[in-house]
Amino acid sequence: QSALTQPASVSGSPGQSITISCTGTSSDVGSYNLVSWYQQHPGKAPKLMIYEGSKRPSGVSNRFSGSKSGNTASLTISGLQAEDEADYYCCSYAGSSSVVFGGGTKLTVL
Amino acid sequence: QLQLQESGPGLVKPSETLSLTCTVSGGSISSSSYYWGWIRQPPGKGLEWIGSIYYSGSTYYNPSLKSRVTISVDTSKNQFSLKLSSVTAADTAVYYCARHPSPYSSSGKVRIGAFDIWGQGTMVTVSS
Repeated sequence: QSALTQPASVSGSPGQSITISCTGTSSDVGSYNLVSWYQQHPGKAPKLMIYEGSKRPSGVSNRFSGSKSGNTASLTISGLQAEDEADYYCCSYAGSSSVVFGGGTKLTVL
Repeated sequence: QLQLQESGPGLVKPSETLSLTCTVSGGSISSSSYYWGWIRQPPGKGLEWIGSIYYSGSTYYNPSLKSRVTISVDTSKNQFSLKLSSVTAADTAVYYCARHPSPYSSSGKVRIGAFDIWGQGTMVTVSS
């Protein structure tokens, strides 16, 4: 059970769109529509942003969207805002009643 | 609204057992719709799922930690707990408790859904 692969960092200017990828295998991301995404600001607990691949919890901005193609899931943030600067983690169900997280991506808003 | 709060010692000696408790308030831990999990984050590193429990006592563990982890539930106190034995410096981390559903599975196997409510986290340092 290996960690999902995310880019270490991404950046964008206010108003732009960015996409963070999350690459797994046919045993996790590729097999289940159970990818979730979390936003974490420094010193804070993670916050759920996307669940079941593309669903947004109540209260999460529609600027956040999720998708999946094969073994890779993606989080897209449109209309970047300064407050979006944070670490982002993906997570996937990996079978056998277990989950695996990605290594995290640091988003910098320029 | 539902809140989770971790508690326990902030310092544990190497080879000893780390023990933490998560208290659920604003709702019942005996909800049939949710499971309760532990996740940790070493300083400057990513998140790692430790394990989860249902109010009935059914447990699910990360295979890499299974031999050292015990998660239990006390429905009368609306709490669930984590014990991690034989700790080393590598177990130094912020430990979070969180709630998650178990999405439908045609096979009947318990699936682990998204962690939708988290505690604030508690830092545990392993050091002599």
